[in-house]
Amino acid sequence: EAGVVQSPRYKIIEKKQPVAFWCNPISGHNTLYWYLQNLGQGPELLIRYENEEAVDDSQLPKDRFSAERLKGVDSTLKIQPAELGDSAVYLCASSQGQGETQYFGPGTRLLVL
Amino acid sequence: GNSVTQMEGPVTLSEEAFLTINCTYTATGYPSLFWYVQYPGEGLQLLLKATKADDKGSNKGFEATYRKETTSFHLEKGSVQVSDSAVYFCALSLNTGGFKTIFGAGTRLFVKA
Repeated sequence: EAGVVQSPRYKIIEKKQPVAFWCNPISGHNTLYWYLQNLGQGPELLIRYENEEAVDDSQLPKDRFSAERLKGVDSTLKIQPAELGDSAVYLCASSQGQGETQYFGPGTRLLVL
Repeated sequence: GNSVTQMEGPVTLSEEAFLTINCTYTATGYPSLFWYVQYPGEGLQLLLKATKADDKGSNKGFEATYRKETTSFHLEKGSVQVSDSAVYFCALSLNTGGFKTIFGAGTRLFVKA
């Protein structure tokens, strides 16, 4: 069974540019999470989807970040415009339902110059 | 608020040494507790979990016991191997109007041959 797939694995952009990350969860997993992981820190939730509905986006900086999960499967996280402080690893995870075991992708490492 | 505190790393051990990584938590209600492991270049993987007080989670020789009286979930292994070198994250999950998972900052373990 394929795990959570994320792309790209690495991205380098200049500040003020837009960037997008893509996530394909494990088949059949209704719940999808985007996390931010700063260097030396644990993951922090940005947004959680139940199917196509964003049920917890309280930690998503909505002035520059947006996310979507069309058709309740794949998801895209976008930053526009990127700032230097956005340099981090962006993790996607999925689970069969809320409260179930989360399975993580390898992450996208973003560097903003 | 809800939080997880784990011992700072890095922890450096020789092969076959005994491992303890301390984790304490603060939570409103009764959380489930987890240990995740992140190997270099990979996503987080669930190592073990415990869902109620006095439960012991175990996997791959690692163990942790849910201690409600000390609000702790320390990770132990009797004999570490070089292949155990990774970053270990303690986490809690609870339902407060929707499930939230909170991670500790992670503890890096180096095992020398």
